[in-house]
Amino acid sequence: DTEVTQTPKHLVMGMTNKKSLKCEQHMGHRAMYWYKQKAKKPPELMFVYSYEKLSINESVPSRFSPECPNSSLLNLHLHALQPEDSALYLCASSQGGTGGNEKLFFGSGTQLSVL
Amino acid sequence: DQQVKQNSPSLSVQEGRISILNCDYTNSMFDYFLWYKKYPAEGPTFLISISSIKDKNEDGRFTVFLNKSAKHLSLHIVPSQPGDSAVYFCAASRGYKLSFGAGTTVTVRA
Repeated sequence: DTEVTQTPKHLVMGMTNKKSLKCEQHMGHRAMYWYKQKAKKPPELMFVYSYEKLSINESVPSRFSPECPNSSLLNLHLHALQPEDSALYLCASSQGGTGGNEKLFFGSGTQLSVL
Repeated sequence: DQQVKQNSPSLSVQEGRISILNCDYTNSMFDYFLWYKKYPAEGPTFLISISSIKDKNEDGRFTVFLNKSAKHLSLHIVPSQPGDSAVYFCAASRGYKLSFGAGTTVTVRA
């Protein structure tokens, strides 16, 4: 199994809603990532978890709250988002370890629209 | 500040010919460089990578060249096939942090 599964594929939410994005992998990877991609732009790193601990937070606003319940799961909790947060949210995983030459396996993403 | 740049947003090539994609970077601390391929409605998939201590890496039809002095890398695909039509992202890593270029859309014409 070389898949990273993300749910839901599409999400529409209001600015006062609370929602969560979910990501799952069963490759035994120990590093998991959240990226954000706006249209016609490159993916931008948000968070990295290494061995279930948050190791990188790219100064992401607190309305985005990551959670890694175990080595296979990664969540992104959303609260009080703004319309400019509308984007494709990509989850990825990698083997982990030295943190170099990490081949990331990406999910298909969640297309988020904030109204 | 964009540390990885792909200045050609699109490339059209005839089937069977060579595709050359270019990428420039600004941060000399990057230690690995990678290329990812993305089809619509899918996440990026890893294609090939090169360590900063090498100048060439080859994998089947795909070859990546690195010119550290120029802070430039390129991806050669030969021969190009219709299934190669996709968006190609150049990426550079330092530790767990991967920085992506804006992507080049490749269209392979029959």
